Amino acid sequence: AQKVTQAQTEISVVEKEDVTLDCVYETRDTTYYLFWYKQPPSGELVFLIRRNSFDEQNEISGRYSWNFQKSTSSFNFTITASQVVDSAVYFCALSDLTGRRALTFGSGTRLQVQP
Amino acid sequence: AAGVIQSPRHLIKEKRETATLKCYPIPRHDTVYWYQQGPGQDPQFLISFYEKMQSDKGSIPDRFSAQQFSDYHSELNMSSLELGDSALYFCASSLDSFYNGELFFGEGSRLTVL
Repeated sequence: AQKVTQAQTEISVVEKEDVTLDCVYETRDTTYYLFWYKQPPSGELVFLIRRNSFDEQNEISGRYSWNFQKSTSSFNFTITASQVVDSAVYFCALSDLTGRRALTFGSGTRLQVQP
Repeated sequence: AAGVIQSPRHLIKEKRETATLKCYPIPRHDTVYWYQQGPGQDPQFLISFYEKMQSDKGSIPDRFSAQQFSDYHSELNMSSLELGDSALYFCASSLDSFYNGELFFGEGSRLTVL
């Protein structure tokens, strides 16, 4: 069975601070996808990144960066120089590569960025 | 670019009533997923369809049913509604379920059961 754990329920930072959201996953699959989604107060789910299990390269997109470590089954997400608009719930998710199994989400981390 | 369209965006029903949610996937997407997100919860997978056939089933109650039509839109039918069914219901679509790329989510339909 697949499982995603986001141990941080809520994080509060002051604007311009860096913040890292942790994600640990469990799967018996040897190939899989990992995702991060952002859910702002308006409720929609915004896709941030997809990473397949073959690719352990870290990725940077603007102020966002992701650290994928297969050895520790972690896929952490860092926001550099946080902004108030980053305030949202962030979900880490896992899926197998067949596409027939839907995403398994973590419980989410609520990030509050104070001005 | 066209996105996943869900309707209605908001729905209020009484206990024991029936509700139907609709989802129009991105054009050419062949796979549709339904998720239920309760207050303060993570999205829970309900059911998915690939090429109009059910492809996977999650924690969908027996009171719920869904189908995908020939034009690939999908409907989630919920009967004998309970207070606990109050949630945000997301539809997502993807192209080619054998290569699970990005799932595109709709904005959700918020169901309130009174």
